[in-house]
Amino acid sequence: AAGVIQSPRHLIKEKRETATLKCYPIPRHDTVYWYQQGPGQDPQFLISFYEKMQSDKGSIPDRFSAQQFSDYHSELNMSSLELGDSALYFCASSLVEEARYEQYFGPGTRLTVT
Amino acid sequence: AQSVSQHNHHVILSEAASLELGCNYSYGGTVNLFWYVQYPGQHLQLLLKYFSGDPLVKGIKGFEAEFIKSKFSFNLRKPSVQWSDTAEYFCAVTTLNRDDKIIFGKGTRLHILP
Repeated sequence: AAGVIQSPRHLIKEKRETATLKCYPIPRHDTVYWYQQGPGQDPQFLISFYEKMQSDKGSIPDRFSAQQFSDYHSELNMSSLELGDSALYFCASSLVEEARYEQYFGPGTRLTVT
Repeated sequence: AQSVSQHNHHVILSEAASLELGCNYSYGGTVNLFWYVQYPGQHLQLLLKYFSGDPLVKGIKGFEAEFIKSKFSFNLRKPSVQWSDTAEYFCAVTTLNRDDKIIFGKGTRLHILP
């Protein structure tokens, strides 16, 4: 079965650079969630989109923005990168209409800021 | 707002020992409960989930969890652990809002001695 796809899997950037992370949800899924997991930390919710509209916002810095496109894939744009942004960024998708309350996680993008 | 508390941050067991990881949640309404596992360097995988019905739920790899509503608890158990169970385990909760974010506990790092 198709899973959530994230690209790139690994990314190395320098401070003050920008980064774009991509997430391709499971086909037919209409909701995408982004989570950030710092080293040794639990995943923290950043932002979510339902039917291409932002549905919820968590602890996402103003330097970050995200959107969901017409094909339901999502991109997380990160600017003015800081050392503290080094983390594993997970994307998850779900089919809200099924009301199964289950999110399927992608493999993550490991971002290292040097 | 909901929150999740995991009692043990680091657990070390020998193979064949029994396992119980504690999880308590805080929320005034009805919740959905999850346990996720994260093997070293890998992404989050769903172990089991509770939505409604039988409070004793069985998941993959011989894991089970019991929802005790009066105690706001959802402890994870396995009668006999294996070396391959070495991983980090996250308890998590969502509300019944269809596209609600997942709130994770801080995680329990489980180390199984061969």
